Amino acid sequence: GQSLEQPSEVTAVEGAIVQINCTYQTSGFYGLSWYQQHDGGAPTFLSYNALDGLEETGRFSSFLSRSDSYGYLLLQELQMKDSASYFCAVRGSSGGSYIPTFGRGTSLIVHP
Amino acid sequence: DGGITQSPKYLFRKEGQNVTLSCEQNLNHDAMYWYRQDPGQGLRLIYYSQIVNDFQKGDIAEGYSVSREKKESFPLTVTSAQKNPTAFYLCASSPDRANTEAFFGQGTRLTVV
Repeated sequence: GQSLEQPSEVTAVEGAIVQINCTYQTSGFYGLSWYQQHDGGAPTFLSYNALDGLEETGRFSSFLSRSDSYGYLLLQELQMKDSASYFCAVRGSSGGSYIPTFGRGTSLIVHP
Repeated sequence: DGGITQSPKYLFRKEGQNVTLSCEQNLNHDAMYWYRQDPGQGLRLIYYSQIVNDFQKGDIAEGYSVSREKKESFPLTVTSAQKNPTAFYLCASSPDRANTEAFFGQGTRLTVV
C-alpha cells in the first residue's frame, strides 16, 4: 500500500517563505509530485521529483530525499493568491501500472 | 484549446437513483482517472484506465462503475449501491502510463438528497 503524511494547515504572511513537508510510505517508488488546488477548483500540477535534490520553478521549489522517504514544497515571496491547498502525490506501481496516490492536502493561508 | 471537460459542474439526485458523470478530454491522453474528494480526505482513486477498453478498480471502487469505449471519454456512474455518494468528483488524465503529471477537470459536485 501507499500512504502520505503532510500537515493539515500552514499559515504565513505575504512575502515570507513557507515549507510544506511530505513523508511517504510506498512500494515501488517512482516519483513525488506536488499539486495546487484553489477552493472548488481543479488541482494543477506544480512539480515532479524522481531523483534526490531540489527542483526550482520560479517562486516554487520541490525537494526529494528518497532515502528518507521525504519531500517538501518551498514557496518563496508568498502572495495572497498562493492561499490554496497543496497536495503531494507519490507515484507507485500496481500490477505494472503507475498509479498516483495523493496525500490529504495542506491548506496554506497567507495573511497580509 | 485542449483540456478535460467534466459536466455538469453541479448535480443533484435523489437517493436510490443512479447518476452518470461525464468526462471528456481532447489531449490525446491514454490514461484517465476518477477521484473522489471529501473535506479533509484528499483525493481518493475510484477507477483508472490506462488504455481504451480496459479499466481497473482503485481504492474505493465499490458502488461505482466506469466504461472506456473511446479514448476521449471516461464516464463514471454512481450507483445506488454507493452508501455515501455526496462528494466532489474529479476526473484526470495523463499522457501515458508513467503519469508524472496529471491534468484535472474542473470537477462535478454531486449532492444526493
